[in-house]
Amino acid sequence: DTEVTQTPKHLVMGMTNKKSLKCEQHMGHRAMYWYKQKAKKPPELMFVYSYEKLSINESVPSRFSPECPNSSLLNLHLHALQPEDSALYLCASSQVAGKQEKLFFGSGTQLSVL
Amino acid sequence: GNSVTQMEGPVTLSEEAFLTINCTYTATGYPSLFWYVQYPGEGLQLLLKATKADDKGSNKGFEATYRKETTSFHLEKGSVQVSDSAVYFCALSYPTVNAGGTSYGKLTFGQGTILTVHP
Repeated sequence: DTEVTQTPKHLVMGMTNKKSLKCEQHMGHRAMYWYKQKAKKPPELMFVYSYEKLSINESVPSRFSPECPNSSLLNLHLHALQPEDSALYLCASSQVAGKQEKLFFGSGTQLSVL
Repeated sequence: GNSVTQMEGPVTLSEEAFLTINCTYTATGYPSLFWYVQYPGEGLQLLLKATKADDKGSNKGFEATYRKETTSFHLEKGSVQVSDSAVYFCALSYPTVNAGGTSYGKLTFGQGTILTVHP
């Protein structure tokens, strides 16, 4: 199994809603990532988890809250988002968080904030 | 800081044409270099990588050579197919240490090049 599975594929939410994005991998990878991608732009790193511990937070607003319940799962909790947060949210994983590591990406959640 | 510059797109080719997408980078030391491809409605997939100078990465007919003297990692394919239509991202990974002293490989992407191949 070389897949990273993200749910839901599409999400529409209001600015007062609370929702969660989910990501799952069963490749035994110990590094997991959240990226944000705006249309026609490259992905931007948000968070890195290494061995289930938050390793990197790229100055992401607190309305985005990551969680890594175990080595296979990664969640992104959303609360009080703004319309400018509408984007494709990509989850990725790698064996470890090293510089030569190949990242496996999920297909993403397309988020629209109204 | 580290950066990646890709040739501006979009690039439109006929099937069986030769493809080059230029990529140059700025980094201190010796980064690892990657090409990722994103098909419509999907996430990114690693196409090929090279981890040291003069390494050649290759996959599915695509090739790129790590040229330290010109700080380049140009993507080439001898004969493109309609199914190659996608967005191509050049990227580098360089060890970065966070505030807690943990080292990780931070990926820096280029802006992406849209490739469209017509029959």
